Amino acid sequence: GENVEQHPSTLSVQEGDSAVIKCTYSDSASNYFPWYKQELGKRPQLIIDIRSNVGEKKDQRIAVTLNKTAKHFSLHITETQPEDSAVYFCAAAGGGADGLTFGKGTHLIIQP
Amino acid sequence: SAVISQKPSRDICQRGTSLTIQCQVDSQVTMMFWYRQQPRQSLTLIATANQGSEATYESGFVIDKFPISRPNLTFSTLTVSNMSPEDSSIYLCSVEARDRGTDTQYFGPGTRLTVL
Repeated sequence: GENVEQHPSTLSVQEGDSAVIKCTYSDSASNYFPWYKQELGKRPQLIIDIRSNVGEKKDQRIAVTLNKTAKHFSLHITETQPEDSAVYFCAAAGGGADGLTFGKGTHLIIQP
Repeated sequence: SAVISQKPSRDICQRGTSLTIQCQVDSQVTMMFWYRQQPRQSLTLIATANQGSEATYESGFVIDKFPISRPNLTFSTLTVSNMSPEDSSIYLCSVEARDRGTDTQYFGPGTRLTVL
């Protein structure tokens, strides 16, 4: 089955700086890669996703890049703000009918 | 997106008992899933709830322990059977819904289960 590795487990950045979280996956058949943000005590919220026919996708301060050859994808957050502090999870799936395999999560801390 | 509700939101149960968690969606969806999130851990897929047929379980999860029902396209239940303290987790349902032309998974608010 699919295996998703996520790094780092904790990331502390100064407010206004950029944050990058990286994930690798094992199953070359995976073609859907969402990112979720989870605040304490709340459900995971989708923040951005990418499919294997696209190399990069951007939504305001958030961007995701995908390298299918190397089987890795990354989340980039620019101009970080205190409200970006949360746990971020990457995930992978083989398509519309598949459940998600999650990485272990990254605790992002934005230092004021 | 889809509006997803779960009942109960939390419960404290005695070992050896069973708890049934309900998941309701405000629109018909083809795919529904159940996940477990153990304390300070990531999410793990338990099973895919199939409408009109038996659920599809992931490795490490079995029907006798986690029976699932999916009577229609808006509702599913997950039962945690013969509970032990190791079953203490947050259980989340998710649905696949079409958003801006693409299929995306959205999560319910979760059910926080504590087994004593």
